[in-house]
Amino acid sequence: EAEVAQSPRYKITEKSQAVAFWCDPISGHATLYWYRQILGQGPELLVQFQDESVVDDSQLPKDRFSAERLKGVDSTLKIQPAELGDSAMYLCASSKTGDTEAFFGQGTRLTVV
Amino acid sequence: DQQVKQNSPSLSVQEGRISILNCDYTNSMFDYFLWYKKYPAEGPTFLISISSIKDKNEDGRFTVFLNKSAKHLSLHIVPSQPGDSAVYFCAASAGGTSYGKLTFGQGTILTVHP
Repeated sequence: EAEVAQSPRYKITEKSQAVAFWCDPISGHATLYWYRQILGQGPELLVQFQDESVVDDSQLPKDRFSAERLKGVDSTLKIQPAELGDSAMYLCASSKTGDTEAFFGQGTRLTVV
Repeated sequence: DQQVKQNSPSLSVQEGRISILNCDYTNSMFDYFLWYKKYPAEGPTFLISISSIKDKNEDGRFTVFLNKSAKHLSLHIVPSQPGDSAVYFCAASAGGTSYGKLTFGQGTILTVHP
């Protein structure tokens, strides 16, 4: 069964350091999403890509967060510098163009110390 | 402003009984609704969805009901099984160019006791 792959699964980083997460969507899924889930809350959309283009990044804290999907396939989300409040689960999801049902990866649990 | 709300943080049910999870929304632009299930340390898994042109959608043990006038939807699980124990998220989409932007509720922890 096709899955969204994410790495690493867990990441511990010190405050002010840079951190990066990687996502490989399901083959053929042109739409890719990065969500952030804080403990006790539902996921919140950070950025949405259609192929290599950003469709929505209105909730992405652009002073420290960046996302790219250079070849329209896999994607990287970066935080620099990391802050204590960035501790959360970072989820990548993908869908076929026009489909609302998104398929999620297992996520990266980030802890900033 | 919480546009999708799940007011019950947790629900406990006996195996074999019905589980009913509720969700309310405030944004009239939402026209597609989904339920996701999440186990600890894993990503959410899609369960079932419903379009605003319908009031009911059924898939095996799972049924979602939509009451547009009340801006309320519910997920029924019958019969409930211990393996259903997880966090359930309600999500909504406004369609159009925002079709993929899901707004999630806070989640309800379902515990099914054997």
